[in-house]
Amino acid sequence: AQKVTQAQTEISVVEKEDVTLDCVYETRDTTYYLFWYKQPPSGELVFLIRRNSFDEQNEISGRYSWNFQKSTSSFNFTITASQVVDSAVYFCALGSFGNEKLTFGTGTRLTIIP
Amino acid sequence: NAGVTQTPKFRILKIGQSMTLQCTQDMNHNYMYWYRQDPGMGLKLIYYSVGAGITDKGEVPNGYNVSRSTTEDFPLRLELAAPSQTSVYFCASSYGGMGNTEAFFGQGTRLTVV
Repeated sequence: AQKVTQAQTEISVVEKEDVTLDCVYETRDTTYYLFWYKQPPSGELVFLIRRNSFDEQNEISGRYSWNFQKSTSSFNFTITASQVVDSAVYFCALGSFGNEKLTFGTGTRLTIIP
Repeated sequence: NAGVTQTPKFRILKIGQSMTLQCTQDMNHNYMYWYRQDPGMGLKLIYYSVGAGITDKGEVPNGYNVSRSTTEDFPLRLELAAPSQTSVYFCASSYGGMGNTEAFFGQGTRLTVV
């Protein structure tokens, strides 16, 4: 069975601080995919990134970066120089090839204080 | 390009009533999904479809029904509403299986059963 744990339920930081959202996963699959989705106050989930299990390179996109470590089964997400617009609920999710389903974590609510 | 459109956005139902949540997508995606989101619980899959005429149960299908007569539409039917069905419902679509492909979500339907 697949499982995703986001231990941080809520995080608040002051604007311009860096913040890291943790994600730990469990799977027996050798090929799998990890995702991050953002849910802003408007409600809809927005795709941020997909990473497959064979690619452990860290990824950076502007102020966002992701650290994938198979040794610790973690896929952490860092926002550098946070902004108020980053306030949202962030979900980590786990899937596998040929599987229509995605296993979501319970989400981390991030609040950026101006 | 509208993406995934859900209606209604809000609804209050009395116990025992029935209703249909509408979902339509204009991206010609084969895969469509219905999730429910409860506070602190992440997203749980209700039903999904891999193409017109094909549907399958997810984790929490009891009390719901779906149909997929066209590629674009994937309505979710609630029969005999119960307070346990109070939740936020999300429809999503993807080009491939959500387990390995980016998904697009609607803005959600907030349903309260009283």
